[in-house]
Amino acid sequence: NAGVTQTPKFRILKIGQSMTLQCTQDMNHNYMYWYRQDPGMGLKLIYYSVGAGITDKGEVPNGYNVSRSTTEDFPLRLELAAPSQTSVYFCASIGGGLHTEAFFGQGTRLTVV
Amino acid sequence: EDKVVQSPLSLVVHEGDTVTLNCSYEVTNFRSLLWYKQEKKAPTFLFMLTSSGIEKKSGRLSSILDKKELFSILNITATQTGDSAVYLCAVAQGAQKLVFGQGTRLTINP
Repeated sequence: NAGVTQTPKFRILKIGQSMTLQCTQDMNHNYMYWYRQDPGMGLKLIYYSVGAGITDKGEVPNGYNVSRSTTEDFPLRLELAAPSQTSVYFCASIGGGLHTEAFFGQGTRLTVV
Repeated sequence: EDKVVQSPLSLVVHEGDTVTLNCSYEVTNFRSLLWYKQEKKAPTFLFMLTSSGIEKKSGRLSSILDKKELFSILNITATQTGDSAVYLCAVAQGAQKLVFGQGTRLTINP
């Protein structure tokens, strides 16, 4: 079982560059999430989606965009990278109903210099 | 504003000690509370709690939820160095929005 797959694992960006973090899940989960985790901190919700075609802002959406054209994919886009976006990014998915355990990808460590 | 608050933020104990980690929450449309353990990489699932007063147990770990007082505790007995990690509490709301606390960094010294 692949579960939740994130790519890339590591990336260094220059200030002002753009990139897309990819997230794919093969569990047919409706709910998907993007979090960032700064050193020594918990996970902060960036965006989430309750199904294909539907996205919503979390706690820290500024500087990011998402789309959900299919159930499987939930890419996160950084348009103009800033040093404040240096963080570890996690994608997660939930099947819904009573089964609210979140399955996580392995994370993307992003450094903006 | 929805919030999940964990305490303490950091805890250092000796191997064999018992620890209690706390998680309080103020959210709309509560569905469940989840505990995760995070070592080097992604969080790994420990427990999901939906009902007050029912203890969940897994080996030396146990957890309970109080929906009236809006908190949960995670207990670890006879701690081992392998228990050293960040423990994260999360609350699932309404349309499955999942909000995490800041985490408790637990260090077990031999």
